[in-house]
Amino acid sequence: QQQVKQSPQSLIVQKGGISIINCAYENTAFDYFPWYQQFPGKGPALLIAIRPDVSEKKEGRFTISFNKSAKQFSLHIMDSQPGDSATYFCAASMAGYGGSQGNLIFGKGTKLSVKP
Amino acid sequence: DAGVTQSPTHLIKTRGQHVTLRCSPISGHKSVSWYQQVLGQGPQFIFQYYEKEERGRGNFPDRFSARQFPNYSSELNVNALLLGDSALYLCASSSGGGLHFGNGTRLTVT
Repeated sequence: QQQVKQSPQSLIVQKGGISIINCAYENTAFDYFPWYQQFPGKGPALLIAIRPDVSEKKEGRFTISFNKSAKQFSLHIMDSQPGDSATYFCAASMAGYGGSQGNLIFGKGTKLSVKP
Repeated sequence: DAGVTQSPTHLIKTRGQHVTLRCSPISGHKSVSWYQQVLGQGPQFIFQYYEKEERGRGNFPDRFSARQFPNYSSELNVNALLLGDSALYLCASSSGGGLHFGNGTRLTVT
């Protein structure tokens, strides 16, 4: 049973537009929600993460919005650029040993294409 | 600082063979995790090691095993390879924060 559902599967956005990717989770014990960016042939790179005591977190052009009651969170990419074209994954986990997030449950990914 | 390094980058094996994948974490990171990423899917958790002990295991058969060494590097071993084991195997390390992934080992089983 998939614990993190991600949508859409693919997204095409014009340069300068806003890209929005959504995720929903089931396990209320999750307390850490990161977003990863992955380019072909590379490993996932941590973009931004949020904990459930915060409703929004912004880092540069990337913003996570978190709705604890709805068990949903989303990634907004402002002023999208062709270089943002990649696959984006949401994930969720509970605190692990030494405070490390070892067991991340990933969504299935969203392939973003930003057209010039 | 160097990121998470994995070796080899690519590997081709035959069904029934054994494979060992290696990972060096970011300096100072004591937690190492392994993930399997099948083409078109998100990574799936296999193992976490922290301070050289197994701290978590995903839903993978006993053919998969791992260990962590005193210098915190790690090995993932897969026995009796099946065609379905073909995937990108990712190693990630962390130190009280988010996971940092290497670029993976692309394993092809023929």
